[in-house]
Amino acid sequence: QVHLVQSGGEVKKPGASVKVSCKTSGYTFSNYGITWVRQAPGQGLEWMGWISTYLGNTKYAQSFQGRVTMTTDTSTGTAYMELTSLKSDDTAVYYCARTIATSLDYWGQGTPVTVSS
Amino acid sequence: EIVLTQSPGTLSSSPGEGATLSCRASQSISSRSLAWYQQKPGQAPRLLIYAASSRATGIPDRFSGSGSGTDFTLSISRLEPEDFAVYHCQYYGSVFGFTFGPGTTVDI
Repeated sequence: QVHLVQSGGEVKKPGASVKVSCKTSGYTFSNYGITWVRQAPGQGLEWMGWISTYLGNTKYAQSFQGRVTMTTDTSTGTAYMELTSLKSDDTAVYYCARTIATSLDYWGQGTPVTVSS
Repeated sequence: EIVLTQSPGTLSSSPGEGATLSCRASQSISSRSLAWYQQKPGQAPRLLIYAASSRATGIPDRFSGSGSGTDFTLSISRLEPEDFAVYHCQYYGSVFGFTFGPGTTVDI
């Protein structure tokens, strides 16, 4: 069975950074990319970016360029998303999802990140 | 950049009734790149439909997707109590990546 298990919730101060992990199991990690999506309270889904688990290349949404870094550890089947220079409107639930062609077929449970002074 | 609009914003219905949700793209898109997700409170989204009309693994056949060009539809033939949720449409483009619609809430 395919599983994506994310790290626990975080509370950060403005200006800090957060790094969320997404540990996968049940499939060959390098066969599927990983996409990161976030959802602010009461809002819709916002795409942050994608990483190829095979080559390691990335594609980031323009709104996060310069602040987000996505990486993988193929030895453990884990993907990471780091977001820097946090602001209050970065408060959201952050999701990782396995990427199959043009859709997202398995999702992590979500990691709540709260940015507050 | 493609913008997705979903209607209605909220659909009030009852178990046993059918539901039709709309997703409209700001310009013509490939149906291969259109997907639908269901999201319940406190849960991650779940893939329902990919490539506009193909059901994902384990999705009941009361869910169906259709459409082409700029207009796409998610139909639920007979609402079950567990179907009351938010439904998101999503487009993938090679330039701008994934784009989501604002969502339609189906409630009782």
